[in-house]
Amino acid sequence: SQTIHQWPATLVQPVGSPLSLECTVEGTSNPNLYWYRQAAGRGLQLLFYSVGIGQISSEVPQNLSASRPQDRQFILSSKKLLLSDSGFYLCAWSLNGSPLHFGNGTRLTVT
Amino acid sequence: GESVGLHLPTLSVQEGDNSIINCAYSNSASDYFIWYKQESGKGPQFIIDIRSNMDKRQGQRVTVLLNKTVKHLSLQIAATQPGDSAVYFCAENSREGAQKLVFGQGTRLTINP
Repeated sequence: SQTIHQWPATLVQPVGSPLSLECTVEGTSNPNLYWYRQAAGRGLQLLFYSVGIGQISSEVPQNLSASRPQDRQFILSSKKLLLSDSGFYLCAWSLNGSPLHFGNGTRLTVT
Repeated sequence: GESVGLHLPTLSVQEGDNSIINCAYSNSASDYFIWYKQESGKGPQFIIDIRSNMDKRQGQRVTVLLNKTVKHLSLQIAATQPGDSAVYFCAENSREGAQKLVFGQGTRLTINP
């Protein structure tokens, strides 16, 4: 069966520091991968998605970037965090025509 | 532009009653709809989905109804249990290939004993 792992579960970082959140998927090949952000009490906003290694599409202009160095690895990064980057970050995977399956998220607090 | 929203931000029901959570969407080109359940501190969990060529789909204790005429989607939960307490999101997609879902704001369902 397929599983998705995100880490860390929680993170507190100072303004201006770098960020690296990692997501890996097991049990499937060539999945579509996604990064979403969820503000407190709100819905999910799509940040990036990837349909293959090295292929990244950005949905909104922001202070973040994404990379997919391996088929089942998706990384969310920032060179310098802003206060507004605080939130709940969710990684997800899907196969074409199937629903998205989410990880348990990383709660990021920028102080 | 695309938007998916919910009629009510909160819903309280008695344990054992049926729950109905509603969702409106604005993109008439949407052809795939999903309901997710999100418990506190966790990622959204897939509940049920429906494609635009259907108007009803049933799962275990859940039913999704789709009315394309008025662009309305609902999730019905039968015999609501305490474990059903969560935030429920509808999402829609109108693109082939990568599922770039657009999510609504969510409805918090609370169960009264």
